[in-house]
Amino acid sequence: SQQGEEDPQALSIQEGENATMNCSYKTSINNLQWYRQNSGRGLVHLILIRSNEREKHSGRLRVTLDTSKKSSSLLITASRAADTASYFCARGQGAQKLVFGQGTRLTINP
Amino acid sequence: GAVVSQHPSRVICKSGTSVKIECRSLDFQATTMFWYRQFPKKSLMLMATSNEGSKATYEQGVEKDKFLINHASLTLSTLTVTSAHPEDSSFYICSASHGQDNSPLHFGNGTRLTVT
Repeated sequence: SQQGEEDPQALSIQEGENATMNCSYKTSINNLQWYRQNSGRGLVHLILIRSNEREKHSGRLRVTLDTSKKSSSLLITASRAADTASYFCARGQGAQKLVFGQGTRLTINP
Repeated sequence: GAVVSQHPSRVICKSGTSVKIECRSLDFQATTMFWYRQFPKKSLMLMATSNEGSKATYEQGVEKDKFLINHASLTLSTLTVTSAHPEDSSFYICSASHGQDNSPLHFGNGTRLTVT
């Protein structure tokens, strides 16, 4: 798929555990972005990692990028019920165009 | 942070009618806006890229006469679904860009379109 793949498609964990989502892509990128979407809502930007960066942190979020493997991962530490949402990776191409992955539906059980 | 307002949030219309969806950047000038379509529990599919003052660029397979896009100002883009049919029912989301590479997009809250 040109969009790339995300796995798992769905993830259910207990509150307090860490959640890891992976994203793979096939073509070159300018950057790799992660977004969150609550049900029936728009997307909220989480982290942007440039192609020359390997790791980035924001609060409880950690994103890694391996351009040799064309893959990225999003780690959410100490998960909370409010983290329940769908998470999408998106590869940034020129002129701001984004191509989204299939997404991971994350459920945090209290 | 940058705010993008999308209106309406929900619309129900009859087959054959047209529906207009607005996307506004409230606190910045958006040189480029993007329109996406999302099916239930699926990813976002880019429909078209809208540049202020010029014709939109449509992705392959998207009918430009079906989905009319207008970007008349730096803060407003509209998507009109013409002669809507039930298969056009979907969630439509817009996003706006400052125009700089390596900066995130700002998304509206989406419009749930139901065609009966």
